[in-house]
Amino acid sequence: AQSVSQHNHHVILSEAASLELGCNYSYGGTVNLFWYVQYPGQHLQLLLKYFSGDPLVKGIKGFEAEFIKSKFSFNLRKPSVQWSDTAEYFCAVNAEGSQGNLIFGKGTKLSVKP
Amino acid sequence: EAGVTQFPSHSVIEKGQTVTLRCDPISGHDNLYWYRRVMGKEIKFLLHFVKESKQDESGMPNNRFLAERTGGTYSTLKVQPAELEDSGVYFCASSHRLAAAQYFGPGTRLTVL
Repeated sequence: AQSVSQHNHHVILSEAASLELGCNYSYGGTVNLFWYVQYPGQHLQLLLKYFSGDPLVKGIKGFEAEFIKSKFSFNLRKPSVQWSDTAEYFCAVNAEGSQGNLIFGKGTKLSVKP
Repeated sequence: EAGVTQFPSHSVIEKGQTVTLRCDPISGHDNLYWYRRVMGKEIKFLLHFVKESKQDESGMPNNRFLAERTGGTYSTLKVQPAELEDSGVYFCASSHRLAAAQYFGPGTRLTVL
């Protein structure tokens, strides 16, 4: 069965620190990859997505993610975090040609100290 | 463009009662998905509609859950009778195309006492 692993449950950083959140998936075929973010009190928002093409994907608010097919990974990065990045981050995949239902990781809570 | 909306935002019911959750997708989105997050666990897929047809309900926990999408517009998810383990946040999402990015509603937090 397909699954998504997010390595960190809770990450605490100071402002201006660099961020990398790990995401690995298990599926042998072609996948579409997503990162969603849920800010406190808000709904899930799409941060970025990868369908095909350049494996380095840029999203909103300075986030980027790199798809490494050989490692089944899609790690999220940001060079310098801000207090406003405090949120929960979810990695998700769906299989190419599927009905589109997303398989999520357990989420990573990011706390940024001002 | 209005986003995905869900009603109610919170619901507190007693075990054995019935609750109906509603989702209004983005206008023109044929694909509508329901997901659930039980506390401490990952967000899990429940079912998928294309217009008014159920395409995949493999994630529905049991027959106490009934989803409908009348006329291919809004959708309802009924839990009858509710059990303690049904507590969680129920999310609805919609997309224009299959396997495209999905846009999520704010969720309904269901608490079963």
